[in-house]
Amino acid sequence: GAVVSQHPSWVICKSGTSVKIECRSLDFQATTMFWYRQFPKQSLMLMATSNEGSKATYEQGVEKDKFLINHASLTLSTLTVTSAHPEDSSFYICSAEGRGLPPQTEQFFGPGTRLTVL
Amino acid sequence: AQTVTQSQPEMSVQEAETVTLSCTYDTSESDYYLFWYKQPPSRQMILVIRQEAYKQQNATENRFSVNFQKAAKSFSLKISDSQLGDAAMYFCAYRGSRLTFGEGTQLTVNP
Repeated sequence: GAVVSQHPSWVICKSGTSVKIECRSLDFQATTMFWYRQFPKQSLMLMATSNEGSKATYEQGVEKDKFLINHASLTLSTLTVTSAHPEDSSFYICSAEGRGLPPQTEQFFGPGTRLTVL
Repeated sequence: AQTVTQSQPEMSVQEAETVTLSCTYDTSESDYYLFWYKQPPSRQMILVIRQEAYKQQNATENRFSVNFQKAAKSFSLKISDSQLGDAAMYFCAYRGSRLTFGEGTQLTVNP
């Protein structure tokens, strides 16, 4: 149980285009979803937190207009990288917390999406 | 703000031996959780072990155990009988009001 999927797993796009990454909780309702960014050999950096039906809360330094997050349902959150540039190339990981899943503070992680912007 | 520090960027261990990964954290919160996550080359984050701060007993999961010293704000991970499959990046994480990761320790297991 408590499986989180991400799609796509790998995407290459041209500079200036937009890319959407989906994060789904497959067998539980995700009250909160999180988006992280990870550069090679570095730790995970929290970008934003989203609750179903609410606007996402972005971390300091993360551009809201560049990284659009939508949490439309209790099982789906999307991250759209708008007007992507090579410096946006990174590994993006989502995670989810579910209501009623013990312990409630554990986050379940998706497999990640590798974004390469040419 | 909470901070998590892993002072060992890289560690290596011989297969079947024991290795300990260090982690310290700083917080003013009284109620929190601590985690060790493993990130293999696939980059899927895998929960290794969790510890509730209110529990004095150290958590154990098969070959993995922790040494939780609340007063010292220390949370080390011991891997016994190391296996080749244990090779990965290990992240210590603190969960109070939010989840904060340490910088990670790259563990190499030598055959």
